[in-house]
Amino acid sequence: KAGVTQTPRYLIKTRGQQVTLSCSPISGHRSVSWYQQTPGQGLQFLFEYFSETQRNKGNFPGRFSGRQFSNSRSEMNVSTLELGDSALYLCASSGGGPYNEQFFGPGTRLTVL
Amino acid sequence: AQSVTQLGSHVSVSEGALVLLRCNYSSSVPPYLFWYVQYPNQGLQLLLKYTSAATLVKGINGFEAEFKKSETSFHLTKPSAHMSDAAEYFCAVTGGISNTGNQFYFGTGTSLTVIP
Repeated sequence: KAGVTQTPRYLIKTRGQQVTLSCSPISGHRSVSWYQQTPGQGLQFLFEYFSETQRNKGNFPGRFSGRQFSNSRSEMNVSTLELGDSALYLCASSGGGPYNEQFFGPGTRLTVL
Repeated sequence: AQSVTQLGSHVSVSEGALVLLRCNYSSSVPPYLFWYVQYPNQGLQLLLKYTSAATLVKGINGFEAEFKKSETSFHLTKPSAHMSDAAEYFCAVTGGISNTGNQFYFGTGTSLTVIP
């Protein structure tokens, strides 16, 4: 089975721009979660999507949004980028049940200049 | 509410020595607990998980963890450290019934250095 894939792997943007990151879950997985990882803050939960619906949301501003498509692929969008948005963005997929483990992709490294 | 606390953001051990990474959890429901490892510039990889079937859980790469309810702990150990174990380790908890969905709560991570 193919693992979780994320595109692109690296991205450089400037302040004020917007960015869209993509995540393809493991085949059959219906839940996709997004995390922001920074050296100072660790892993911060952004949101979880299940069957095209946002099921959980972390404590991030509205500039961070996401969606999920009928094939379970998910995108995350960040508008009006700030320097502090520079981070590794990780996507994880699971079967969606309350005790399922999450499988992580390699991440997208976003640098905001 | 659920949370995990990882004691020690940095741990150094000599090659061949015991590895002990600490994790304490807080959960109002029976928890499911996980340890993940992250190598540089990679995503997280599942090492092992506790799902209430057995208190001593064996994972990949020789790691194991013991669930101790009385101590609310789930420490990760490996009898003999190898250079390839140098990485960041994360403890995580999910509680199922009290959750809506599959939300995980991660600790802040412990960076393991192995000294040759």
